[in-house]
Amino acid sequence: GQSLEQPSEVTAVEGAIVQINCTYQTSGFYGLSWYQQHDGGAPTFLSYNALDGLEETGRFSSFLSRSKGYSYLLLKELQMKDSASYFCAWGGGADGLTFGKGTHLIIQP
Amino acid sequence: GAVVSQHPSWVICKSGTSVKIECRSLDFQATTMFWYRQFPKQSLMLMATSNEGSKATYEQGVEKDKFLINHASLTLSTLTVTSAHPEDSSFYICSAKIGNEQYFGPGTRLTVT
Repeated sequence: GQSLEQPSEVTAVEGAIVQINCTYQTSGFYGLSWYQQHDGGAPTFLSYNALDGLEETGRFSSFLSRSKGYSYLLLKELQMKDSASYFCAWGGGADGLTFGKGTHLIIQP
Repeated sequence: GAVVSQHPSWVICKSGTSVKIECRSLDFQATTMFWYRQFPKQSLMLMATSNEGSKATYEQGVEKDKFLINHASLTLSTLTVTSAHPEDSSFYICSAKIGNEQYFGPGTRLTVT
């Protein structure tokens, strides 16, 4: 089976940097993704890691360590609009995604 | 980027009736689409994989006779919730995959009274 664990809530300050962690256990591995979801909206893709290391896209970066079953999402220069839920997700091939329970990011001015 | 649409965006129905939700890929063809369900304050749960021209594949615990999926063309998948009950009230989201990225529709909020 597979499981993905994330903190339920993280609080950060506008303009700062925040890291959201995800640990996982899977029987196979096709890659780990991160998605953002605002209240009432659909998830939007942020990043994908198939190999170990850091992937950067603008203000967002994601890191993966397959040997440790660990990933994190890094958000820089936080803006109020970044207040949302963030999900790590496992999946690949022709299969749908298995999502973590999500981390609610609260940004304070 | 790729666009996936859903219709309706919200629907209210009475207990015992059936509701159909459409998922369309607007600017690409999708041989495979996915249906997810999300209860308030919870994560997305994969319900089924919709395959064009063949039967859907359902996740464990999802009743295939209650959640009917039809993928009649390369751009349209439909989910019909049959004999809906209040516990079926949820946010239903479809997605289509291109490469390593899944594109999600805007979701359909179903309320069963």
